[in-house]
Amino acid sequence: AQSVTQLDSQVPVFEEAPVELRCNYSSSVSVYLFWYVQYPNQGLQLLLKYLSGSTLVKGINGFEAEFNKSQTSFHLRKPSVHISDTAEYFCAVTRDTGGFKTIFGAGTRLFVKA
Amino acid sequence: DGGITQSPKYLFRKEGQNVTLSCEQNLNHDAMYWYRQDPGQGLRLIYYSQIVNDFQKGDIAEGYSVSREKKESFPLTVTSAQKNPTAFYLCASSEGYSTEAFFGQGTRLTVV
Repeated sequence: AQSVTQLDSQVPVFEEAPVELRCNYSSSVSVYLFWYVQYPNQGLQLLLKYLSGSTLVKGINGFEAEFNKSQTSFHLRKPSVHISDTAEYFCAVTRDTGGFKTIFGAGTRLFVKA
Repeated sequence: DGGITQSPKYLFRKEGQNVTLSCEQNLNHDAMYWYRQDPGQGLRLIYYSQIVNDFQKGDIAEGYSVSREKKESFPLTVTSAQKNPTAFYLCASSEGYSTEAFFGQGTRLTVV
């Protein structure tokens, strides 16, 4: 069965520090990978996606992620965070099951402190 | 502007009542989805539809029903059979399985 694990439920970090939000997935077939961000009481918006090609993917707001097939990981990174990056981040995986579904991780709450 | 509109933003339901959450999209997407979000549990799929007049159960469909009579609309009914309906509900759409989902702003349902 397909699953997504976000290894940290909360990540506190100081402003201008680097951050990594970890995501591991399990699947026996090829997958497409996504990171979404959710601000309080809002829907999710796409940060970045990996479909194929280069394993380093750049997204909006200075975020990037690296697909590592051997470790089945897709960790999200930002070299210097801002207060405005405080939000919940979701990793998601999609594969064609003959009735496609996207599986979301439980989310990681990023809290940026001044 | 293209996007997904969910209404209402806040909804209160009495015990034993059915309520319907609206979801409309003008992105011309074939696929639409309903998710339930509870704290610490991420998003769980309730129903999804890949085409008009067809929909499939997700992981937690019990106590919910949907219809897809028009491409742009995918309303969700929370029935009295849903024992714990208080949650944040998110509607989304996508062009296909390999593309990202576009989300509405959500409806927060509270049982009173």
